[in-house]
Amino acid sequence: DAKTTQPPSMDCAEGRAANLPCNHSTISGNEYVYWYRQIHSQGPQYIIHGLKNNETNEMASLIITEDRKSSTLILPHATLRDTAVYYCIVRAHQGGKLIFGQGTELSVKP
Amino acid sequence: GAVVSQHPSRVICKSGTSVKIECRSLDFQATTMFWYRQFPKKSLMLMATSNEGSKATYEQGVEKDKFLINHASLTLSTLTVTSAHPEDSSFYICSASPPSGSKNEQFFGPGTRLTVL
Repeated sequence: DAKTTQPPSMDCAEGRAANLPCNHSTISGNEYVYWYRQIHSQGPQYIIHGLKNNETNEMASLIITEDRKSSTLILPHATLRDTAVYYCIVRAHQGGKLIFGQGTELSVKP
Repeated sequence: GAVVSQHPSRVICKSGTSVKIECRSLDFQATTMFWYRQFPKKSLMLMATSNEGSKATYEQGVEKDKFLINHASLTLSTLTVTSAHPEDSSFYICSASPPSGSKNEQFFGPGTRLTVL
């Protein structure tokens, strides 16, 4: 599975959009981009995933560049409850294993 | 979404004893479950893949005789930490995927915090 690179930490003001970047320059054609988040002392929570098209659900939007070498997770109106570590993971759709990198620690501030 | 539970949520044990952690998929059947461990301020590390009715597949560097995994049914996998030592103190998390899920996402349990004295 391809490796991902994320900034270790980010801050965001409550009510503003949080844009979390992820680089995955070695992604291969059959690999999807998955995003999970982990609130302190809890199990990770699925957010969204995509292959090459932009995706949106009730939690977030995922923007994948045309060359698929990077992506951005967007939380449109961040709340204090969105404070968590966000993990960007690349894997084949039927790959099974999720290999976690270091993630981005997002702090949403009042 | 699908629900995965773990029991116990936290456990404290003496060095040298064995501890069993249960992972259950409550509303779906899971032929495959995964076990992770997480140290403070660190990311999740995959320990093993648990396959129903067969032996678990361990990641490199994980001692299979130390961390016994049993996946006896489609809704239950257990992790037993044998002869636990203080360095085994960690946050243990399991996950499972519904077999027919179109999103192919994994659902994670709430984790079990193990403290070995």
